[in-house]
Amino acid sequence: DTGVSQNPRHKITKRGQNVTFRCDPISEHNRLYWYRQTLGQGPEFLTYFQNEAQLEKSRLLSDRFSAERPKGSFSTLEIQRTEQGDSAMYLCASSLVISVRVEAFFGQGTRLTVV
Amino acid sequence: SQQGEEDPQALSIQEGENATMNCSYKTSINNLQWYRQNSGRGLVHLILIRSNEREKHSGRLRVTLDTSKKSSSLLITASRAADTASYFCATDPNSNSGYALNFGKGTSLLVTP
Repeated sequence: DTGVSQNPRHKITKRGQNVTFRCDPISEHNRLYWYRQTLGQGPEFLTYFQNEAQLEKSRLLSDRFSAERPKGSFSTLEIQRTEQGDSAMYLCASSLVISVRVEAFFGQGTRLTVV
Repeated sequence: SQQGEEDPQALSIQEGENATMNCSYKTSINNLQWYRQNSGRGLVHLILIRSNEREKHSGRLRVTLDTSKKSSSLLITASRAADTASYFCATDPNSNSGYALNFGKGTSLLVTP
């Protein structure tokens, strides 16, 4: 098992362009989360999936953001019409939750720079 | 929103010394977790302490939890230069509405040789 994998690791885009990030969770994990982290801050929750169902979205997830987990395995996070304020590290995490909440395992993140 | 707050924001110590970081939070929790993040990298899970536990050890790490004061502490004993990183506490809220770890802003630890 290679852990949570995120691609790309870095992305530079021009303002107004669309970008898509991919996250491959640990294979048997049923929950997948997306977080955003800006410099000097802790990660902020964006959304999470239980298998393929998107169960919770934070208010940070504007209409320009969409996340999918089509087959309950990998997930994509798309940002449309990027803005400079979208520049951040986007972190994906996964966990196996049955009856007890346990730790989440994070990927290395995708660093987005909007110029 | 970020619920946990770590204290201090930055800590500088010498190798061999102990490092103590504190975390305060606001709402009731299922558990509290500590993570480490090296510069520009992802987060590494260190330890989880459940709301009915008061103390937990893992190697050189010792975590305490005081739910009456809504606070936790992380002690790293006999620190090493490799412990240099940012440390975050994350609370798992006691809620049936979902699962969203709430992170604080972190404590930046520098361990000098």
